[in-house]
Amino acid sequence: EVQLVESGGGLVQPGGSLRLSCAASGFTFNNYAMNWVRQAPGKGLEWVSGITAGGSTYFADSVKGRFTISRDNSKNTLSLQMNSLRAEDTAVYYCAKALVASMRVGYDYWGQGTLVTVTS
Amino acid sequence: QSVLTQPPSVSAAPGQKVTISCSGSSSNIGNNHVSWYQQFPGTAPKLLIYENDERPSGIPDRFSGSKSDTSATLGITGLQTGDEADYYCGTWHSSLSAGVFGGGTKLTVL
Repeated sequence: EVQLVESGGGLVQPGGSLRLSCAASGFTFNNYAMNWVRQAPGKGLEWVSGITAGGSTYFADSVKGRFTISRDNSKNTLSLQMNSLRAEDTAVYYCAKALVASMRVGYDYWGQGTLVTVTS
Repeated sequence: QSVLTQPPSVSAAPGQKVTISCSGSSSNIGNNHVSWYQQFPGTAPKLLIYENDERPSGIPDRFSGSKSDTSATLGITGLQTGDEADYYCGTWHSSLSAGVFGGGTKLTVL
């Protein structure tokens, strides 16, 4: 059974940093692209960042230069380092497994999400 | 403002059929596969359709997808009250090198 479990969310002040993690199990982690998708309170889905099976990384313009995505295939773990956080980064952050190794196809499994709140 | 355009809401009676549209451009839908997701309040999204018209195992054939040029459509037949949820389309945006979603459509089964 595929499982994605996010952790690391919490309350942080504007300008602060937070590191999210996603522990994956039930599939061959290094064969698939992985993504972070967020959802602000009462709003729709927003793709944040993705990393292919080969390690190529991609970012939404809204987070480019502030967020870094990485994967540790030895630990089946996806991470999102978030720096210079802003109030508009407040959202539930979901870890999502891609259907394939690349970025161009959808996401078949999602974690339960972790809430990030940026406020002073 | 989302890159992909969906109607904010649709409604239909139980047993009826509804379609949800998703409009994009040649940079996204026109040259990439479309996926559809179902989301109930307080829960994670669930994949309904991938590669425009493919259903994952376990998804009933009441759900269908199609794509034409720069638009895609999700169809749901035999509507049930349990289908009331938010529905999102998503794809890859080639020129942005980024994933994109529609703004979401709230389905009400009257």
